[in-house]
Amino acid sequence: GAGVSQSPSNKVTEKGKDVELRCDPISGHTALYWYRQSLGQGLEFLIYFQGNSAPDKSGLPSDRFSAERTGGSVSTLTIQRTQQEDSAVYLCASSLGLGGTQYFGPGTRLLVL
Amino acid sequence: AQKVTQAQTEISVVEKEDVTLDCVYETRDTTYYLFWYKQPPSGELVFLIRRNSFDEQNEISGRYSWNFQKSTSSFNFTITASQVVDSAVYFCALIKGNTGKLIFGQGTTLQVKP
Repeated sequence: GAGVSQSPSNKVTEKGKDVELRCDPISGHTALYWYRQSLGQGLEFLIYFQGNSAPDKSGLPSDRFSAERTGGSVSTLTIQRTQQEDSAVYLCASSLGLGGTQYFGPGTRLLVL
Repeated sequence: AQKVTQAQTEISVVEKEDVTLDCVYETRDTTYYLFWYKQPPSGELVFLIRRNSFDEQNEISGRYSWNFQKSTSSFNFTITASQVVDSAVYFCALIKGNTGKLIFGQGTTLQVKP
């Protein structure tokens, strides 16, 4: 079946602009996760959603970052007033349930000029 | 606090050599899961294996094998008869019980030369 998909693949934006990154999880997966991969910080957890429970936002680096998941499926990660340090690859993953094996999408490479 | 350490930043071997990637973890939880992921040059993280804290049996899958030892908090990964296609960054990761946060090591870059 189809894996996790993310769009766009690449995004170049100017400092101060807002960006939206999209993730489509594997069908039937109730848990959805966002991570960030950057050269200096490695792979960092950002946020996860599990079913109808309140999301765990403990990894979001600042209040400029937010995410939502509509209808228990598609998720959007929004970064407001982007900064150059936001440049990274943003990875989305999904799993059958919390704690299950996470399958990752191809990522969105964000470059903030 | 939970932590995963992959002390080997880069490893270079010649094709057909065996290679072991080390992973040491720290956790106070009794229930946890350990993972290995592969990230080839294309960038996508590919799941390789998941083990729970109650199962210390070693596992073999083709040329890949994993050695899980709770006594030393290690979960090492061995590739037998390495191939050029094994060149990638390999990440070891830990997750606590039924939470959603994967804690990743810094990764080991493996280069297999022909």
